[in-house]
Amino acid sequence: DSGVTQTPKHLITATGQRVTLRCSPRSGDLSVYWYQQSLDQGLQFLIQYYNGEERAKGNILERFSAQQFPDLHSELNLSSLELGDSALYFCASSVGASFDQPQHFGDGTRLSIL
Amino acid sequence: AQSVAQPEDQVNVAEGNPLTVKCTYSVSGNPYLFWYVQYPNRGLQFLLKYITGDNLVKGSYGFEAEFNKSQTSFHLKKPSALVSDSALYFCAVRGVDILTGGGNKLTFGTGTQLKVEL
Repeated sequence: DSGVTQTPKHLITATGQRVTLRCSPRSGDLSVYWYQQSLDQGLQFLIQYYNGEERAKGNILERFSAQQFPDLHSELNLSSLELGDSALYFCASSVGASFDQPQHFGDGTRLSIL
Repeated sequence: AQSVAQPEDQVNVAEGNPLTVKCTYSVSGNPYLFWYVQYPNRGLQFLLKYITGDNLVKGSYGFEAEFNKSQTSFHLKKPSALVSDSALYFCAVRGVDILTGGGNKLTFGTGTQLKVEL
């Protein structure tokens, strides 16, 4: 068990809708990272938050946004959903802000767009 | 831009035999290299990392990896494979891109499916 909790585990919705994915980091970790895993794109880094502030940005679409709250949990909001957004979304956490530290991954949220 | 290549989609090995999962990278500056493993329906688990120092890095579950700067490789190895090692393995690199100044992210390879058979 990595200590990172992601909810929900599965999400099925329709095109054009909006969803929110939630992540609770491992106790003591200040950084949260979001990744998208799909068959055609592989594992893609989306965004990082450290202690409530956006720290690094990857291949995140404008339709997607994230935030980290004072209790350090994070939410990833996906809007105007398209079929291509169907993927596994992972949250990871680490103690510090640097990408040279091991990241601890949750078990993911599987998003299916119908 | 930084990149990682895992040239084999799948590696098959008999239990008890040594295994190697290959990884090559491209990055400006000194690379930070990682191996992660993913079991079905689970998130990635950290195995080991190379930052600096000894080129042979030891990690979890008996895995090790060898950093080779001249060949820009970071192959994952294990002397004796177990059926329970069957999983998807990802190599990742973190580096500084001199052109863009960026580098504060991990770039993952496409993954190699390891299948260990009795």
